[in-house]
Amino acid sequence: AQTVTQSQPEMSVQEAETVTLSCTYDTSESDYYLFWYKQPPSRQMILVIRQEAYKQQNATENRFSVNFQKAAKSFSLKISDSQLGDAAMYFCAYGSYSGTYKYIFGTGTRLKVLA
Amino acid sequence: DVKVTQSSRYLVKRTGEKVFLECVQDMDHENMFWYRQDPGLGLRLIYFSYDVKMKEKGDIPEGYSVSREKKERFSLILESASTNQTSMYLCASSFPDEGNQPQHFGDGTRLSIL
Repeated sequence: AQTVTQSQPEMSVQEAETVTLSCTYDTSESDYYLFWYKQPPSRQMILVIRQEAYKQQNATENRFSVNFQKAAKSFSLKISDSQLGDAAMYFCAYGSYSGTYKYIFGTGTRLKVLA
Repeated sequence: DVKVTQSSRYLVKRTGEKVFLECVQDMDHENMFWYRQDPGLGLRLIYFSYDVKMKEKGDIPEGYSVSREKKERFSLILESASTNQTSMYLCASSFPDEGNQPQHFGDGTRLSIL
């Protein structure tokens, strides 16, 4: 069965600094997708970034980038130049289809941004 | 902007009641999802629908059913509510592009079963 693990329940970063959130996953599938979602306090969940497993190039979206290590089954999120608005719960997620759809979320990492 | 609207932000019901949670999206998305979110457990998929009248069970479908009679509306039904179904429920939608992932989320319904 597929699993997604976020081992850091909470992290802090100084404003303007860089922070990396960790995520590991387990799957026997060869074709799948990985995602990072952001959930600000009392606000809607939003999709931050997506990575296709068949692509070797790491995805980037402005200040957000991922380090995708397929062999190690690791998918970390790097936030550069952290801003106060980055404070949120971040969820790593996995998606695949092999007869049935699978969408699995990790337990989340709460990111605090310190002024 | 895409809008996913959940009918209630807060809902209080009693055990044994039949409970309906409604979700409407305005972007003609084929995919719609129901998740529950619990502290320390992340989001867990209850049901997924990829077209009208089509549905697939997620990881925790027990005690729930769904209805998708129209493309824009996806209803989650608690057949006989129990206290362990007290949770935050999130609806999401997306187009069936690569990954089929939930893209747009509603504000959530915080459901309490007494």
